[in-house]
Amino acid sequence: QSALTQPASVSGSPGQSITISCTGTSSDLGNYNLVSWYQQHPGTAPRLMIYEGYKRPSGVSNRFSGSKSGNTASLTISGLQAEDEADYHCCSYAGSFTWVFGGGTKLTVL
Amino acid sequence: QVQLVQSGAELKKPGASVKVSCKASGYTFTNYYIHWVRQAPGQGLEWMGLINPRGGSTSYAQTLQARVSMTRDTSTSTVYMELNSLRSEDTAIYYCARDLHQLPQTETFDIWGQGTMVTVSS
Repeated sequence: QSALTQPASVSGSPGQSITISCTGTSSDLGNYNLVSWYQQHPGTAPRLMIYEGYKRPSGVSNRFSGSKSGNTASLTISGLQAEDEADYHCCSYAGSFTWVFGGGTKLTVL
Repeated sequence: QVQLVQSGAELKKPGASVKVSCKASGYTFTNYYIHWVRQAPGQGLEWMGLINPRGGSTSYAQTLQARVSMTRDTSTSTVYMELNSLRSEDTAIYYCARDLHQLPQTETFDIWGQGTMVTVSS
């Protein structure tokens, strides 16, 4: 099972919007509406930000939104804030009770 | 509150085994799958496998299937992950994570443990 593909890094200025892509295959991301996104600050455990492609858990800001088209999912963060600077990881169900992550994207807020 | 508390850091020699524990509290242990995820230094996350605390059934990542084992003790609400034949590439932080939804559904990782650093070095 190959990892999902994410850009290594993205950046944006406060107040701007950024989008992080996550590309899989028709066997994983493209075949299931079970993509999730995690935020991870240095030295801490990941935090669930988006599940089922676009749903936000309680407590997650509505500045975070998710979408999916074909084999690619996207995480958009609007109104960038300094606290959004972190690593972001996508994950997809891959069938047969297995999951696959992306390589992670480092977001820098300029 | 709902939490997962993991055992402490481990230092192991190549070829040895390591067993990491994950104790759940604040919810009904047998109602949610537990997953294990690891992260090598400076790298992304890697899904390792999951266990159904109710019946003990498991599913493992193909790359680790021959070396990993996940078990649970319902009397102490604890899940264990054992990794055998350790190599330097297994040096990583190991996390347990509870599923978002109750059984029988399993989908994503909601509550995370604090992580356990496992270092493999001669």
